[in-house]
Amino acid sequence: GNSVTQMEGPVTLSEEAFLTINCTYTATGYPSLFWYVQYPGEGLQLLLKATKADDKGSNKGFEATYRKETTSFHLEKGSVQVSDSAVYFCALTPNTGNQFYFGTGTSLTVIP
Amino acid sequence: DSGVTQTPKHLITATGQRVTLRCSPRSGDLSVYWYQQSLDQGLQFLIQYYNGEERAKGNILERFSAQQFPDLHSELNLSSLELGDSALYFCASSQGLAETDTQYFGPGTRLTVL
Repeated sequence: GNSVTQMEGPVTLSEEAFLTINCTYTATGYPSLFWYVQYPGEGLQLLLKATKADDKGSNKGFEATYRKETTSFHLEKGSVQVSDSAVYFCALTPNTGNQFYFGTGTSLTVIP
Repeated sequence: DSGVTQTPKHLITATGQRVTLRCSPRSGDLSVYWYQQSLDQGLQFLIQYYNGEERAKGNILERFSAQQFPDLHSELNLSSLELGDSALYFCASSQGLAETDTQYFGPGTRLTVL
């Protein structure tokens, strides 16, 4: 089946620290992978995506590389800011019929 | 602001009742998706419509139904409500049919079933 597993939160970091949020997946076929961000009181926003193996998605200083060999799509940022405080969701679509699967979300709090 | 609007923002109702949630997609978007976000189940894909036609079904209960109208707005109908249906319901829209199209999420409707 299809599923996404992401690291448990909450994660608390100091400003300018390095961020990694782990995400691994199980999928049939060749999925596309996404990271979404949800700020308090808002809907989800697409942060970045990768549609094939070895693709790197990047946006706003965040990066994630689609690793087929380890079935992973870890989110990284070199220097987090207070404004990055949010919940981050890893997601996939197996590209076999418009189905979407989300991880449980990882809450990030960045303190000044 | 994603351009996707959802009404109402909050809804409180009793078990056994029926409610309708409304979503207006971004201008020009033909696909509408519905999601349920709850503490115990996380974020679950419910259903997708494209240009008025149902395109994909996820974990949608039989008590739930949706439709997309000619003006492209969509409604999610939840009936015989149970306590466990309390959740945040999101609508999202995208331009086309491709699974990799960017989905733009609305602010959600918070449903509380008492």
